[in-house]
Amino acid sequence: GENVEQHPSTLSVQEGDSAVIKCTYSDSASNYFPWYKQELGKGPQLIIDIRSNVGEKKDQRIAVTLNKTAKHFSLHITETQPEDSAVYFCAASPSYGKLTFGQGTILTVHP
Amino acid sequence: DTAVSQTPKYLVTQMGNDKSIKCEQNLGHDTMYWYKQDSKKFLKIMFSYNNKELIINETVPNRFSPKSPDKAHLNLHINSLELGDSAVYFCASSQEPGVNQPQHFGDGTRLSIL
Repeated sequence: GENVEQHPSTLSVQEGDSAVIKCTYSDSASNYFPWYKQELGKGPQLIIDIRSNVGEKKDQRIAVTLNKTAKHFSLHITETQPEDSAVYFCAASPSYGKLTFGQGTILTVHP
Repeated sequence: DTAVSQTPKYLVTQMGNDKSIKCEQNLGHDTMYWYKQDSKKFLKIMFSYNNKELIINETVPNRFSPKSPDKAHLNLHINSLELGDSAVYFCASSQEPGVNQPQHFGDGTRLSIL
């Protein structure tokens, strides 16, 4: 089955800096890669996703890149703000909504 | 106007008891899921239903039984609760399973076994 590795497990940045979280996956059949943000006491919230026919996608301060050959994808957050502090999860899915999640990254943005 | 709602939010019970968690979505989605998040925040899929039919059934003890009375509801019943069942259980929904669609999560049910 699919295996997703996520790094780093914790990331601390100053407000205004950029943050990058990286994930690798094992199943070459995976074709859908969402990123979720989870705040304390809440469920995961989708922030951006990318499909295997696209190499990069951007939404305001958030961007995701995908390298299918190397089987890795990354989340980039620019101009970080304290409200970006949360746990971020990457995930991969070959089909039928079967998401396999990474281990999560605790992002702390210091004012 | 909660899109995916779960009840109860907290559930504290004794080992050996049977309990149920309910989930409802008002997004008009065809597919619903149950996930388990352990104490290390690791999220793992348990089940998925599409239009009341089971389509994903991961390696989960048969003490866990999902039930979907209609496509807007997916409940999770757990028999003979064990200490290791303590976790946060999330319900999610998406439009259809065949082509990956964004999954929308509820805010979870925190289950604590004493």
